[in-house]
This record gives sequence, C-alpha cells and structure tokens, in this order.
Amino acid sequence: KQEVTQIPAALSVPEGENLVLNCSFTDSAIYNLQWFRQDPGKGLTSLLLIQSSQREQTSGRLNASLDKSSGRSTLYIAASQPGDSATYLCAVRPGGYQKVTFGTGTKLQVIP
Amino acid sequence: NAGVTQTPKFRVLKTGQSMTLLCAQDMNHEYMYWYRQDPGMGLRLIHYSVGEGTTAKGEVPDGYNVSRLKKQNFLLGLESAAPSQTSVYFCASSYSDGIGGYTFGSGTRLTVV
Repeated sequence: KQEVTQIPAALSVPEGENLVLNCSFTDSAIYNLQWFRQDPGKGLTSLLLIQSSQREQTSGRLNASLDKSSGRSTLYIAASQPGDSATYLCAVRPGGYQKVTFGTGTKLQVIP
Repeated sequence: NAGVTQTPKFRVLKTGQSMTLLCAQDMNHEYMYWYRQDPGMGLRLIHYSVGEGTTAKGEVPDGYNVSRLKKQNFLLGLESAAPSQTSVYFCASSYSDGIGGYTFGSGTRLTVV
C-alpha cells in the first residue's frame, strides 16, 4: 500500500525566504502527484498537478518537481509572503485501480 | 465557475440523529468522492462513485450511506450519528479517477454531541 509522508509537519519562516516542502512516497509506480493548499477551515485548493512523465510544473512563484525513482516530490515557494501561510498537502495517484493517497500536510507560517 | 459545492457548511447533531450532506459539481465529472478529515489522520475515503447510479465503499464506510441519482450530485447520509463521526467532510470530483487531478469542495464541519 502506498504511504505518503510530509516532513516537517510544521514550518515557520520569515517573509521573503525561499522554501522547499517535501513529499515522500513509498511506491514509485504512480500516475500523478498533486499539490494542494488548505487554509484554516477551508477546502483544498489545487496548486500543481505533475504527471508521472513530467519532471516539474511551475505556476507563478511555485515550482513542483517529481523524482519517481527516489519517491520524492518537492514544492518550491519563491519569495514567501504572509499570504502563503497555509497547510500544504500532496496527493499521490498510484497506477492501476488504486485510490489516491494523501499526505498529512506541512503547516507553513510565513512571518512578516 | 462553481466547481464543487457542499451544503451545509456547518452542522451540529445530537447522537442518534440523521442527516444528509449534499455535494454538487458542474464540471461533468464522472467520479465523485466523500472524504473525512481528522487531526493527525489525514484525508480518509468514505465512499465514492464512478458514475451516475453507482457507489462503492472506501476506507472508512461504516455508519455512512451514499447515493448518486444524478451525475452532478453525490449525497452522504448518516443514519444514526455518533460522536466518532465528528469531523470535517469533503467532497471531491475528478474526470477519470484522478487522472487529471481532483477538485474539492469547501467542506462541511459536523459536530455530533
């Protein structure tokens, strides 16, 4: 069974810092990986979707990379802002008919 | 441009009461899902549907029932609510079981007292 781990569980950084969030998975036979943002009391907002054939995806200040062989994805946030404060979750969609597995998230706080 | 809409947003139930959560999507997605999110447990799949008129059990289906009478709607029912069902419930949809990613609703916060 696919296991998805996000470390650290919480991260606090000063505004303006570039940062990397990690997502590790145990089975490299994945179809895609999706990064979400969740604000307190809100739903999940999709940030980036990386298909298994891709190495990275970019959207504005966000860049997500995927290394299937090492079972790892990273979400890079450039020039962090207080508005980036949220919990970031990764979701791994395995190949075949298995259901998606979510990480438990990294809670990010960007301090002004 | 609504995406996935969940109603209600908040609800307090007494133990033993019943209720239905409604999920509606306007993206013509075939697949719909109900998750619950609990602190430290992440998102867990309750039930899902692969198309109109179909439903299937997920990881934690006990105590819940679902129906998908119309393609755009997916209902989650609690027949006899228990305190253990206190949680935040999320509905999601996808075009082809996550091949193109998932779209989530804003959630329903349910408290059972």
